[in-house]
Amino acid sequence: DAGVTQSPTHLIKTRGQQVTLRCSPISGHKSVSWYQQVLGQGPQFIFQYYEKEERGRGNFPDRFSARQFPNYSSELNVNALLLGDSALYLCASTAAPDRGIWPQHFGDGTRLSIL
Amino acid sequence: KQEVTQIPAALSVPEGENLVLNCSFTDSAIYNLQWFRQDPGKGLTSLLLIQSSQREQTSGRLNASLDKSSGRSTLYIAASQPGDSATYLCAVRTTGTASKLTFGTGTRLQVTL
Repeated sequence: DAGVTQSPTHLIKTRGQQVTLRCSPISGHKSVSWYQQVLGQGPQFIFQYYEKEERGRGNFPDRFSARQFPNYSSELNVNALLLGDSALYLCASTAAPDRGIWPQHFGDGTRLSIL
Repeated sequence: KQEVTQIPAALSVPEGENLVLNCSFTDSAIYNLQWFRQDPGKGLTSLLLIQSSQREQTSGRLNASLDKSSGRSTLYIAASQPGDSATYLCAVRTTGTASKLTFGTGTRLQVTL
């Protein structure tokens, strides 16, 4: 079975531009979460979506937005890019977020570089 | 606010040695704790998940323990191999925070020949 898939794998943008990152969860998983990982740090939570509704939001500015589609795939949008947005963006999926027994599975991420 | 700390930040051991990685967290109201492995430039691979009601979990050469009341977890790796070289991250899911995971900054492990 396919794991969590993310696209693109790498992306280079300039300051002020906008970017859209995509994520497909593991088949049967209805919850998707997004994380930002800056070099040398642990991932930081950005958003969680479950059944197409936002369930949680981390401490990120309004330039960051996301949505989940009927097939449970998700997009993360970042507007007005800043140099500090350069990071590895990770997507995670889980079967049932309200149950503590299910692990979260991560994709390989999108490496975003801002020039 | 949940905070997760991992010690040591880096570790180098010769092949065959047994080792322990440590993780501590400040808020004991957790659903579960998950250990991950991350290879350079890659995503996270889930290794073990311990529910809040459990004390330990085992998978092959890996054993993870959880002491929720003291806010500690350890990951024990037996008979280390060069292929174990990676960064190991622990993450906790705190109650009342949806599926949000709070991560430590990781332990970078190098296993030498």
